[in-house]
Amino acid sequence: AQSVSQHNHHVILSEAASLELGCNYSYGGTVNLFWYVQYPGQHLQLLLKYFSGDPLVKGIKGFEAEFIKSKFSFNLRKPSVQWSDTAEYFCAVRASNTGFQKLVFGTGTRLLVSP
Amino acid sequence: GAVVSQHPSRVICKSGTSVKIECRSLDFQATTMFWYRQFPKKSLMLMATSNEGSKATYEQGVEKDKFLINHASLTLSTLTVTSAHPEDSSFYICSARDRVVEPYGYTFGSGTRLTVV
Repeated sequence: AQSVSQHNHHVILSEAASLELGCNYSYGGTVNLFWYVQYPGQHLQLLLKYFSGDPLVKGIKGFEAEFIKSKFSFNLRKPSVQWSDTAEYFCAVRASNTGFQKLVFGTGTRLLVSP
Repeated sequence: GAVVSQHPSRVICKSGTSVKIECRSLDFQATTMFWYRQFPKKSLMLMATSNEGSKATYEQGVEKDKFLINHASLTLSTLTVTSAHPEDSSFYICSARDRVVEPYGYTFGSGTRLTVV
């Protein structure tokens, strides 16, 4: 069964610092990869997704992620974070063995950006 | 964009009673809806997948008689927690697939905080 690992459970950064959140998945077949963000009190929102093509994916709010197939990774990056980026971030994967139906989430990373 | 409305946002119920949570796709037809449970400081755990007009598919370890899912229309799915116990207290989130607006994408509801006392 596929699984998703997010290594950083809590990250604290100052404004303007660079961000990289790790995400690794375990599945050898074809995968679709997602990053979602959950702001306090709000629903999950899609930041970006990767289906195929250019492994460097750009999303909303200045976020990007790079798919490295050999490392089974899909790390999220932002060159300069803002206080408003304080939220919880979830990596998610769906795979061909489930018909690309089921979305499996990582445990999430809580990001706190101090002003 | 696609919107999913989940109701109620918070509910407190007594142990032994049943609680129904609704998930509606407001501006699109959702042939497939998903129900997740989010534990504190943990990931969203997929409970079941519901397809309109057919029985839900439950994940391993999820009691289908305890968590009843109905997806009677293309815009509404319900999750009923039957004979609730304190250990059922959690945050429940639904999501729906909108094949037209965002192919293979998912839209999430804002969740329901269930507290069983």
